[in-house]
Amino acid sequence: DAGVTQSPTHLIKTRGQQVTLRCSPKSGHDTVSWYQQALGQGPQFIFQYYEEEERQRGNFPDRFSGHQYPNYSSELNVNALLLGDSALYLCASSLWDRGRGRATQYFGPGTRLLVL
Amino acid sequence: AQTVTQSQPEMSVQEAETVTLSCTYDTSESDYYLFWYKQPPSRQMILVIRQEAYKQQNATENRFSVNFQKAAKSFSLKISDSQLGDAAMYFCAYRSGGLNNNDMRFGAGTRLTVKP
Repeated sequence: DAGVTQSPTHLIKTRGQQVTLRCSPKSGHDTVSWYQQALGQGPQFIFQYYEEEERQRGNFPDRFSGHQYPNYSSELNVNALLLGDSALYLCASSLWDRGRGRATQYFGPGTRLLVL
Repeated sequence: AQTVTQSQPEMSVQEAETVTLSCTYDTSESDYYLFWYKQPPSRQMILVIRQEAYKQQNATENRFSVNFQKAAKSFSLKISDSQLGDAAMYFCAYRSGGLNNNDMRFGAGTRLTVKP
């Protein structure tokens, strides 16, 4: 049973460019969340996708956008890259428990983005 | 807003000994979940243990156990019989129990070193 996978593993971009990161959730999961983890810090929530819609968003500018496909895979897009966007981007998937309103998130290995 | 604080940036333990990692959180909610995640150098966040706030009994998973003090808003992780493979960054995380509040708040992490 494949866990959460992310691509690419590493990426180097220059300021002003645009980047797309990809995530395939764990088998059977329908919800994908994205996090940004700056060096030496804990992850920060960017947004969550469920049923192909953004369900919740953290404190990130509109330059950060996403998409979820019918097969539950997801993309994170960042426009007009800034030096401060350099970070590890983590994807986490979960299966929404309608009855309990809870879901445990399982993380992928992340994509390391460096903006020069 | 909910915040998570890990006051120990680094901890070390001798192999086979016991170590306790501290975590405090701030919330006005009564329904929430607390987590400990482990992030080894491979970067993948691995769920170590989970605690529902409505449960008084402390969660345990093999060598890992928590001391959940709801009134004090404290959630420490105890690792017994420490092994070399336990060396990693450990993150404490909080998630609201609300159906429409799905982001997780992470602490800054504690780097655990295990000495042979």
